[in-house]
Amino acid sequence: EAAVTQSPRNKVAVTGGKVTLSCNQTNNHNNMYWYRQDTGHGLRLIHYSYGAGSTEKGDIPDGYKASRPSQENFSLILELATPSQTSVYFCASGGNTGQLYFGEGSKLTVL
Amino acid sequence: GEQVEQLPSILRVQEGSSASINCSYEDSASNYFPWYKQEPGENPKLIIDIRSNMERKQIQELIVLLDKKAKRFSLHITDTQPGDSAMYFCAAVNTGNYKYVFGAGTRLKVIA
Repeated sequence: EAAVTQSPRNKVAVTGGKVTLSCNQTNNHNNMYWYRQDTGHGLRLIHYSYGAGSTEKGDIPDGYKASRPSQENFSLILELATPSQTSVYFCASGGNTGQLYFGEGSKLTVL
Repeated sequence: GEQVEQLPSILRVQEGSSASINCSYEDSASNYFPWYKQEPGENPKLIIDIRSNMERKQIQELIVLLDKKAKRFSLHITDTQPGDSAMYFCAAVNTGNYKYVFGAGTRLKVIA
């Protein structure tokens, strides 16, 4: 079973603060993804990556940056957090089979 | 970006009956169509998938159908049980770029 670990699992931030969500996978998957999940919107793609050094914009990238320093790690960065970014964030990794393996989710509250 | 429409958003069925969820996609290059189930408070997990070289696939009580011409695919759960109550997400994937686009989800409630 593929292992994807996210940290922190819960985070409370203040408006204007910087937030970094981290994701680590141990399955040597090339592709990694960051989604946010909100009621009524399902899973929306923020950024994704094909491998170390690569980041691609998803469907809702505004207000987010991503970093893929290694095959194993993919971070999501909110430089200036806003209340509208309050959500549950899921990281996922996938190989050439197409199947995605999701982390346990990170609940972010921006006050 | 490319859209995947998923309907219905909420589905209530009697235990033992069938449940059907429908998805449509825009990108004609999509060639992989997975379905994920998400229990409350958990992460989504793959339950069944179909590739573009197939029209039908069945795993136990789960059936997926794919109509490439119409750009539609569907999940059918036969003989539903209370344990089938969950959120279900479809996705359409172009394995040329692995951009994974999900539908908005269907909340299925199986009533005993």
